[in-house]
Amino acid sequence: EDQVTQSPEALRLQEGESSSLNCSYTVSGLRGLFWYRQDPGKGPEFLFTLYSAGEEKEKERLKATLTKKESFLHITAPKPEDSATYLCAVQEGQAGTALIFGKGTTLSVSS
Amino acid sequence: SAVISQKPSRDICQRGTSLTIQCQVDSQVTMMFWYRQQPGQSLTLIATANQGSEATYESGFVIDKFPISRPNLTFSTLTVSNMSPEDSSIYLCSVVDTPTYEQYFGPGTRLTVT
Repeated sequence: EDQVTQSPEALRLQEGESSSLNCSYTVSGLRGLFWYRQDPGKGPEFLFTLYSAGEEKEKERLKATLTKKESFLHITAPKPEDSATYLCAVQEGQAGTALIFGKGTTLSVSS
Repeated sequence: SAVISQKPSRDICQRGTSLTIQCQVDSQVTMMFWYRQQPGQSLTLIATANQGSEATYESGFVIDKFPISRPNLTFSTLTVSNMSPEDSSIYLCSVVDTPTYEQYFGPGTRLTVT
């Protein structure tokens, strides 16, 4: 049973067409929820960490939110350069422990 | 944030051989992890390699197949031994940045076993 489920698997948007990516999790003791961006052939790039329900963080056109069961990554007015795979990961237990990753959402933004 | 480099960036190896992957960090970090990303899949933890203790391996990964060294706070190696085509993956090291506890990844080593 997957502990971290991301949806949709793939998303195609037109430039400027806002949307959201979903990450649902079933771990019992959430320490933190992490969002990463991964470009083809590269390692994941850290975006955000969220720690408690109701928390929100923003970076440029991206805004991450967290509830007790899921997180959303909102993309406002995306540009082609936002095309990438977005990975969600959860951390259980103590700070600094390893992450459990979802399978990712591959976002394609066309102009 | 920590800056992480890995060597080699990619390699093509024959089955039965071994490859050692290096991970270098530009600052001292205690907590480090090695992950594997198989084609089209997400990241799977291989082992935790905290400095000052033996590496701890996840279910399905064993020390004889994936020996790890962690000689100091800025460097680690992962060896993939007796390789088979199923070992073809991207191997990534990751470090924990204190005091934020944010986790950063290296650029990865793309391994192809023929």
